[in-house]
Amino acid sequence: AQSVTQPDIHITVSEGASLELRCNYSYGATPYLFWYVQSPGQGLQLLLKYFSGDTLVQGIKGFEAEFKRSQSSFNLRKPSVHWSDAAEYFCAVGEGVTGGGNKLTFGTGTQLKVEL
Amino acid sequence: KAGVTQTPRYLIKTRGQQVTLSCSPISGHRSVSWYQQTPGQGLQFLFEYFSETQRNKGNFPGRFSGRQFSNSRSEMNVSTLELGDSALYLCASSWGHSMNTEAFFGQGTRLTVV
Repeated sequence: AQSVTQPDIHITVSEGASLELRCNYSYGATPYLFWYVQSPGQGLQLLLKYFSGDTLVQGIKGFEAEFKRSQSSFNLRKPSVHWSDAAEYFCAVGEGVTGGGNKLTFGTGTQLKVEL
Repeated sequence: KAGVTQTPRYLIKTRGQQVTLSCSPISGHRSVSWYQQTPGQGLQFLFEYFSETQRNKGNFPGRFSGRQFSNSRSEMNVSTLELGDSALYLCASSWGHSMNTEAFFGQGTRLTVV
């Protein structure tokens, strides 16, 4: 079965500093990988996704992520964090079910705090 | 374009009761998935419906059930509620039912079981 590990439960960065959130996955086939963000009391918003092709993917709000098959990683990065980026971030792997179907397996999330 | 709408936003129920949650997907979307979010277990997949058929199911007891209507709206039902069912229930809709179609999440229904 697939799994996702986000080793950092909490991360605190200063506004303007760079950010990297780690994500490791376990999946037998070519993974579908996602990063979502959740603000308090809200649902999940998709930041970016990787299906195939270029291993560096760009997303919304200035985020990017790099897929590294050899390391089974899909780390999220942002060069300069804004106070509004404070939220919880989830990495997810999508399981393509035989015959079609959507099923996301999520990591436990990383809570990002931004210090002004 | 309206987003995914979940109703109600908040619910308080008593142990042993049953509850029905509703999800209206984005217009034109035919796939609806449900997730449970708790502090202890995180985000867990419940089930997915596409064209009124359950296409995939997570590892939850039979007390959790769902259905999808011809207009793609979906409901999930939890019977014989337990304290551990307290959670944020999230619905996601997508146009298709393959992994390369983006899923859009609603704001969730916060269920508290007392």
